[in-house]
Amino acid sequence: AQSVTQLDSHVSVSEGTPVLLRCNYSSSYSPSLFWYVQHPNKGLQLLLKYTSAATLVKGINGFEAEFKKSETSFHLTKPSAHMSDAAEYFCVVSPYNQGGKLIFGQGTELSVKP
Amino acid sequence: EAGVAQSPRYKIIEKRQSVAFWCNPISGHATLYWYQQILGQGPKLLIQFQNNGVVDDSQLPKDRFSAERLKGVDSTLKIQPAKLEDSAVYLCASSLDRVGQGNTEAFFGQGTRLTVV
Repeated sequence: AQSVTQLDSHVSVSEGTPVLLRCNYSSSYSPSLFWYVQHPNKGLQLLLKYTSAATLVKGINGFEAEFKKSETSFHLTKPSAHMSDAAEYFCVVSPYNQGGKLIFGQGTELSVKP
Repeated sequence: EAGVAQSPRYKIIEKRQSVAFWCNPISGHATLYWYQQILGQGPKLLIQFQNNGVVDDSQLPKDRFSAERLKGVDSTLKIQPAKLEDSAVYLCASSLDRVGQGNTEAFFGQGTRLTVV
């Protein structure tokens, strides 16, 4: 069965330091992968997506993620955290040939300290 | 381009009452999803439509939940009767086609926060 595991439920960083949010997936074939961000009382916003093109994907607000098939990982990174990055982040997999189904991870809450 | 519209934004009902949520997807989007997000958890798919047909409703509690998308555009999700554990945010999303085909992505509405007391 396809699934997504976000390895940290909460990550805390200081402003200006790097961000790493970890995601592992299981899928029988090459899936599409996404990262969404959810600010309090706001809808889910797409940060970036991987759809079998370049393995290093750049997204909005300086975020990027690298698809590593051998490790079944799709970790999200940002070189320098900003206070406005504090939010909940979801890793999402859409398994190949599953009719566009979207499977969410449990989420990682990112806190940014001044 | 207008986003995915949902209403109401908030709803408080007593257990055993019924409630309905409405979603208007982005114009031209064939795929529509309803998700349930319980506090502290990731969204869980309830039902997925492709135009007005159901693609996946395997996790929809069909004894109390129902959803329709009669003309392949707007959709309504209903709960009858509601239970305390139905308290959650109900999210609607739409995509141009099935995600994974081409460069398709899903766009989400702001959700309806349901509180059952």
